[in-house]
Amino acid sequence: DGGITQSPKYLFRKEGQNVTLSCEQNLNHDAMYWYRQDPGQGLRLIYYSQIVNDFQKGDIAEGYSVSREKKESFPLTVTSAQKNPTAFYLCASSDVGNTEAFFGQGTRLTVV
Amino acid sequence: KQEVTQIPAALSVPEGENLVLNCSFTDSAIYNLQWFRQDPGKGLTSLLLIQSSQREQTSGRLNASLDKSSGRSTLYIAASQPGDSATYLCAANSIGGGATNKLIFGTGTLLAVQP
Repeated sequence: DGGITQSPKYLFRKEGQNVTLSCEQNLNHDAMYWYRQDPGQGLRLIYYSQIVNDFQKGDIAEGYSVSREKKESFPLTVTSAQKNPTAFYLCASSDVGNTEAFFGQGTRLTVV
Repeated sequence: KQEVTQIPAALSVPEGENLVLNCSFTDSAIYNLQWFRQDPGKGLTSLLLIQSSQREQTSGRLNASLDKSSGRSTLYIAASQPGDSATYLCAANSIGGGATNKLIFGTGTLLAVQP
């Protein structure tokens, strides 16, 4: 089945820890994105990448980092600099151009 | 700066009713507008994509319209079923966003279809 796989589904982080969220796609899409969803707010863009080895900051990039070493993979690291990391994180992909975006099932991150 | 608003925030209807969900956006310079469905604790499922040159798109019982001049899109659901219960999100892909698919999302409409 073609699609986007995010792992883990649930993740718990201690204060001061860095954690990495995985996102893999087999749709052969060039563009990949990370969004954050908080209750009562719309999804907000963290980072996006339109090609391997290149990525751009979105609207709320502070405290996050990404890499794009392979076309199918776009991991997100939530660093200790992110002061309020508890949220639902969604990964998406699309062809370059104004085409349909597809989303993974999300990772729920909780600070304990 | 593009802003997307969805009204109502929540809607409850009896099974079988036809219904309309509304989405408005402030900047008409968009590439496209996409409607998604989100079940509790899950990711987003794409329902319909309307390009800026199109007026509407249909898929099964769903019909989405786009009026760029007024900054509005509607999602029409015919003969609603309990399985349609979910949160519906619209997202505008703005030309001024500087990137492909830099989607700006509304906060969604939570739909409950009562059996």
